[in-house]
Amino acid sequence: EDKVVQSPLSLVVHEGDTVTLNCSYEVTNFRSLLWYKQEKKAPTFLFMLTSSGIEKKSGRLSSILDKKELFSILNITATQTGDSAVYLCAVEPLDNTDKLIFGTGTRLQVFP
Amino acid sequence: DVKVTQSSRYLVKRTGEKVFLECVQDMDHENMFWYRQDPGLGLRLIYFSYDVKMKEKGDIPEGYSVSREKKERFSLILESASTNQTSMYLCASSWITGATEAFFGQGTRLTVV
Repeated sequence: EDKVVQSPLSLVVHEGDTVTLNCSYEVTNFRSLLWYKQEKKAPTFLFMLTSSGIEKKSGRLSSILDKKELFSILNITATQTGDSAVYLCAVEPLDNTDKLIFGTGTRLQVFP
Repeated sequence: DVKVTQSSRYLVKRTGEKVFLECVQDMDHENMFWYRQDPGLGLRLIYFSYDVKMKEKGDIPEGYSVSREKKERFSLILESASTNQTSMYLCASSWITGATEAFFGQGTRLTVV
């Protein structure tokens, strides 16, 4: 059965810390891996990763995919209180249904 | 900007009621999805649709049905609401091929009492 596992489940840090969120997956016929940030209600898209070893970067956030070891990490440097959210990882299998398989998320709390 | 709009932010319904959750997207996306989100379980797919009048079951379709009469609108129906359907419901849409970034609505918090 396809599955996506995120760790840690929860993380509490102080502003300025750097955090690394992990996402591992067991999905047959992998197409892409996506990271979302969820604050309050709806997830918002962060990154899509399809190729191994290529880092995607947006400001203080960056992500990389390892297709050999079947995992991805999301790094946030110099964290701010506004980074507090649930971070969701999702994998898209390579079939024609375009269904995403989500992990349970990592809850990040950043305190001043 | 892509907009996915869910009709209600909060709903409180009684056990046994028929409940309609509506979702509208304005980007002409072929795919639309309904998820529910529960603590510790993440997002779970209920149903999805890849075209008008087409639908497929997701991982947890029991107790739900869907309707897609127009491309921009995807409705989730709880035929007879039960307390275990109390949850956050999220609608999403995406293109059918290529980049499959999904755009999400703001969610509907449904409480069944």
